[in-house]
Amino acid sequence: QKEVEQNSGPLSVPEGAIASLNCTYSDRGSQSFFWYRQYSGKSPELIMSIYSNGDKEDGRFTAQLNKASQYVSLLIRDSQPSDSATYLCAVEDGANSKLTFGKGITLSVRP
Amino acid sequence: DAGITQSPRHKVTETGTPVTLRCHQTENHRYMYWYRQDPGHGLRLIHYSYGVKDTDKGEVSDGYSVSRSKTEDFLLTLESATSSQTSVYFCAIRTFGQGSLFTGYTFGSGTRLTVV
Repeated sequence: QKEVEQNSGPLSVPEGAIASLNCTYSDRGSQSFFWYRQYSGKSPELIMSIYSNGDKEDGRFTAQLNKASQYVSLLIRDSQPSDSATYLCAVEDGANSKLTFGKGITLSVRP
Repeated sequence: DAGITQSPRHKVTETGTPVTLRCHQTENHRYMYWYRQDPGHGLRLIHYSYGVKDTDKGEVSDGYSVSRSKTEDFLLTLESATSSQTSVYFCAIRTFGQGSLFTGYTFGSGTRLTVV
């Protein structure tokens, strides 16, 4: 069973701080990695994708990938109350086009 | 959105009855997926399809069947609903953008199913 593990939460940060979300995965053949944001009662929304080692920045979001360590992370800079949501790490199966999710971590940004 | 619609949005059904959920896409994507989401378990793959009439099982497929007779529609059927199948069901598609660039997976709005 291919696994994706995320830090148990919840995570609470003050407004303006950096939120750091971490994820590890078991399938060494995985090539595509995603972070989804899910507000309560809504569907998951793709916020970042990363396919190669290193950092990828998009606005206040930075995804980091280290395939050797089987580790992917998401940094949210200048956190806002509107960032309060559940963040899901997802990894695409290296052999088939299937997405496996971590259980998610709930982020709360305190005003 | 990527043109993905789920129906119904909410359903309450009785134990033992058959239930079919529909996922419809308008953009001709090859891959479609059904997930269920439960507290403490996250999103888990039920079944997926990689083309018309081509389907395969996910990690929690027991009690579910699927069909895909047209590219745009992917149906999930609970043959005889049980209370353990009370959940939120999401359909997803694997999407490509301009120049056939892989862009990720897009989810529908979900179906909240309650089995009483």
